Amino acid sequence: DIVMTQSPDSLAVSLGERATINCRSSQSVLYSFNNKNYLAWYQQKPGQSPRLLIYSASTRESGVPDRFSGSGSGTDFTLTISSLQAEDVAVYYCQQYYTTPRTFGQGTKLEIK
Amino acid sequence: EVQLVESGGVVVQPGGSLRLSCAASGFTFDDFAMHWVRQAPGKGLEWVSLVNWDARSTYYADSVKGRFTISRDNSKSSLYLQMNSLRPEDTALYYCVKDNSLGAFDFWGQGTMVTVSS
Repeated sequence: DIVMTQSPDSLAVSLGERATINCRSSQSVLYSFNNKNYLAWYQQKPGQSPRLLIYSASTRESGVPDRFSGSGSGTDFTLTISSLQAEDVAVYYCQQYYTTPRTFGQGTKLEIK
Repeated sequence: EVQLVESGGVVVQPGGSLRLSCAASGFTFDDFAMHWVRQAPGKGLEWVSLVNWDARSTYYADSVKGRFTISRDNSKSSLYLQMNSLRPEDTALYYCVKDNSLGAFDFWGQGTMVTVSS
């Protein structure tokens, strides 16, 4: 199984500041035939279902604010929120869909400092 | 508007069985693979199972293999999860999830709670 490891486990950032969450996979999730990384990011606000933010490591899902961006390739990935808003308080998960079992990171809890 | 509405979650004794259902609407159901994902209270997300668009291929997490069966009825735009030999560690909120055809999970239901307890 591909193990997904996020860092940090929790993060406190001031409003308007940048937040960065990292995700590492135990093996590459880059599919060589199409050069796409099979990596997604999800946001889960308290009491809500998860929401897809980013897929293919860097493609923003429709309706997601452009302050959210994804980067990285192979085994190392980053989710960046360029200017933190109050509504961004949530737990963020990375996930690989390169193979089954699909696996998620343990989650990163983002709070306001 | 895409909607995924789960049902069937209850309190069940260890060793018992349960069938979860998910009614889908707002998209062409038989164009997409579907998943079940669960979340134990206060814990992270755990993928449970996948069925491809025509139900010919199914996949399971090791933790449920041999006990759970995923299925779908495209004529009813419905997804199912038959859960047998339930264990306390199966206690979780179970989400019905749509695949975006690239493999990411683009729509999630609100979940149905399964509690396994004597």
